[in-house]
Amino acid sequence: DARVTQTPRHKVTEMGQEVTMRCQPILGHNTVFWYRQTMMQGLELLAYFRNRAPLDDSGMPKDRFSAEMPDATLATLKIQPSEPRDSAVYFCASGLEEVSPLHFGNGTRLTVT
Amino acid sequence: DAKTTQPNSMESNEEEPVHLPCNHSTISGTDYIHWYRQLPSQGPEYVIHGLTSNVNNRMASLAIAEDRKSSTLILHRATLRDAAVYYCILRAETQGGSEKLVFGKGMKLTVNP
Repeated sequence: DARVTQTPRHKVTEMGQEVTMRCQPILGHNTVFWYRQTMMQGLELLAYFRNRAPLDDSGMPKDRFSAEMPDATLATLKIQPSEPRDSAVYFCASGLEEVSPLHFGNGTRLTVT
Repeated sequence: DAKTTQPNSMESNEEEPVHLPCNHSTISGTDYIHWYRQLPSQGPEYVIHGLTSNVNNRMASLAIAEDRKSSTLILHRATLRDAAVYYCILRAETQGGSEKLVFGKGMKLTVNP
């Protein structure tokens, strides 16, 4: 089965450091979503791309977060500088533009100390 | 975003059918009803979706009320592996493609051996 691949699976970093999370969507999928999950807030949508163009990043703190798709096979989510409140599991998902399910990766568990 | 209402939790017994309810009284004509589930330590997983007619796939069945204001996810024979948080989500389909998938709190299903 084709899968969405996220790296790294785990990341521990100190406050103030830059963090980059990567996602390889399923080949042929043209929509990519970034979600963040915490116990308190549940699954929050951070950003959403279609055909590599950002459509909605209203859920993302603009001052420190940035999301890009350098090419169709790679999506990145960067946090600079990171803060302890950014500790969460970050999920990437991909899908087709038409009515279709989203396929999620297994997430990157980020801990900022 | 259109909203859904689910119980916080449900319990079932292994090898028995389970009916997971979802209310969506403000559903609009372009909203599809999607179900995802999230097993512990994994990303969300697509289960099923539908618009007006009941739907069946290898994982589950989706029964949609005639007025579309509620739906029920049916697991025909629960297994321990079905223990997860289940999300009922409305997702609008537009001429430009699907809109973003917004998760609520979901419903935790416990399956007793």
